[in-house]
Amino acid sequence: DAGITQSPRYKITETGRQVTLMCHQTWSHSYMFWYRQDLGHGLRLIYYSAAADITDKGEVPDGYVVSRSKTENFPLTLESATRSQTSVYFCASSARANEQFFGPGTRLTVL
Amino acid sequence: LAKTTQPISMDSYEGQEVNITCSHNNIATNDYITWYQQFPSQGPRFIIQGYKTKVTNEVASLFIPADRKSSTLSLPRVSLSDTAVYYCLVGDKQTGGFKTIFGAGTRLFVKA
Repeated sequence: DAGITQSPRYKITETGRQVTLMCHQTWSHSYMFWYRQDLGHGLRLIYYSAAADITDKGEVPDGYVVSRSKTENFPLTLESATRSQTSVYFCASSARANEQFFGPGTRLTVL
Repeated sequence: LAKTTQPISMDSYEGQEVNITCSHNNIATNDYITWYQQFPSQGPRFIIQGYKTKVTNEVASLFIPADRKSSTLSLPRVSLSDTAVYYCLVGDKQTGGFKTIFGAGTRLFVKA
């Protein structure tokens, strides 16, 4: 089915572990984004990508790594998870940077 | 980056028109204004986008005055299902939009 998907939808991990959140879109959109949303707050941009092999930092990139070898995939890796990274993570894609389509989110808990 | 300011929350009743105003005093010439809606446990959803004057679609209207330092999202005849958080964003549509900041948004609560 066309659209944007995220996996896993829920993840519980422990402090210090590496975690990778997956994002896949079927529209061949150039732009892709990763946001985090903490309880009761707005979204904060972690990383974005304007095209395959082009990524750049957003507001809160520390502790995260991204890659984009294929247009349709944009994985987000937490190299060594910390409790402060407990959050809901949203991936988005866009053909035009200001009209973004969001995935369903991944709820990550770091114990 | 253009910063936006919105009311934190608003209450309304079913059937009323709701207007949410966003201030963006340092908007740049190439910036567009975009509004998103977010329901609990879901990602934001694009509602409407505009550059100047008025834009209307099947969901909402967007009013932008000549100086573009503010904008107003208008939701006609709201229902309970319009209860959500509404975000105003400002950014360059072609190149800089991916650096826009969502902020805390406006929490709209529609009552019966």
